[in-house]
This record gives sequence, C-alpha cells and structure tokens, in this order.
Amino acid sequence: DAGVIQSPRHEVTEMGQEVTLRCKPISGHNSLFWYRQTMMRGLELLIYFNNNVPIDDSGMPEDRFSAKMPNASFSTLKIQPSEPRDSAVYFCASSPTGSWDEQYFGPGTRLTVT
Amino acid sequence: SQQGEEDPQALSIQEGENATMNCSYKTSINNLQWYRQNSGRGLVHLILIRSNEREKHSGRLRVTLDTSKKSSSLLITASRAADTASYFCATTGRDSSYKLIFGSGTRLLVRP
Repeated sequence: DAGVIQSPRHEVTEMGQEVTLRCKPISGHNSLFWYRQTMMRGLELLIYFNNNVPIDDSGMPEDRFSAKMPNASFSTLKIQPSEPRDSAVYFCASSPTGSWDEQYFGPGTRLTVT
Repeated sequence: SQQGEEDPQALSIQEGENATMNCSYKTSINNLQWYRQNSGRGLVHLILIRSNEREKHSGRLRVTLDTSKKSSSLLITASRAADTASYFCATTGRDSSYKLIFGSGTRLLVRP
C-alpha cells in the first residue's frame, strides 16, 4: 500500500487566495483526520470523518476553513480566503475504524501564506 | 489544546546509549500512543499501550504506563543515528474514541 497520499507537498500563496489541500487515505480505512501543526500550538485536530461523514469539526478555526469527503478515497481541505496565520503544515491521517486506533499519517502539506 | 507534556523537550545522546522520554497527561485515557516524526515528514506510529496495560515492548522500544501518576515513558535501547527525530505521545480519552490529543514532543538527537 502506498500509504496516505497528500498533495501538494508545498504550497506558497498570497493572502486572500483560495488554497485546496488534497488527501487520499489508505484503502479500506473508514476514518480520516485533518491536522494542523505549528510551532506555537503543536498538532491540532481540525476535523474527523467517519465513513465519509464529518463527525467532529470543532477544531476548524473559522468559517474560512472547509473540508469535504465526497467518497472513501478522497478528501479536501479548503481555506478561502487564506491569511498569513494559516501558514503551517497540514497533515491528513487515516485509520481502520477510528475508534482508539493507531493513525497513519501522510507526509503533510507545508503551506506558506505571504 | 495539548493533553500531554513530554519531558525533556530535547535530548542529545551518543549512539549506543539508551534514550528515555517521559509523557504526562491530565485526564483519564483509553490508550496512549507514541509516534515518531522525522524532520519534514509525517508522523509514524510506534506503539500503543492500553490503559489496563503497564508495559509493552516492540523491538528496541519499551513503553511503560502508570495511570495512577498519569504518566508514560518511552525507552529506546541501543540508540542509532537513525533514531534522531521528534517523539510524541498521544492519548485517546474514554469519552472520545477517535480524538488523539498530542503532547508537545521530545526532540531526540543521536550523535554518531
């Protein structure tokens, strides 16, 4: 298995632009997570999907952030409009069931908003 | 917000030595997991220990859990330069089966 796949690996954009991050979870996993990692706040859970349904989006910072999972093999995290404080590494992770499981992380997308 | 705190924040040892990292957490847990993150990479799961377990081994890794003290330790024996990475503990609570709460991490440097 190729593991969790994320694209792009790096994204540099200007403030106000729309940014879309993409994730392909491991086949057969029914849970998907989006995290954000910064030096100041560490790793934070943004949103959790189970069987393609958003279960917990309490970590999404504000309305500028949205996430979708149209099918079991694809998810997007969108930021519109982007701001410099959104600069971070965004990770996607998947797990077999989601319940107390280990999670498998993708390589991350390093986002820089200037 | 972070559930746990790792100690020390940074650790530098010589290749061949043992490395011990500690993690403390605040609320009751279902399990505790340790992850490794190499610079510029995603996290890799190392080991999971359940709340009713006290010790677990995996290769050169040994994890202990003391629920009365709300703490865990990760021991890496006979360290190698390739073990250089950041190590995070993460907990899942009894009331939230999916939510991993990560600590702040320990940066380990193994000098060749």
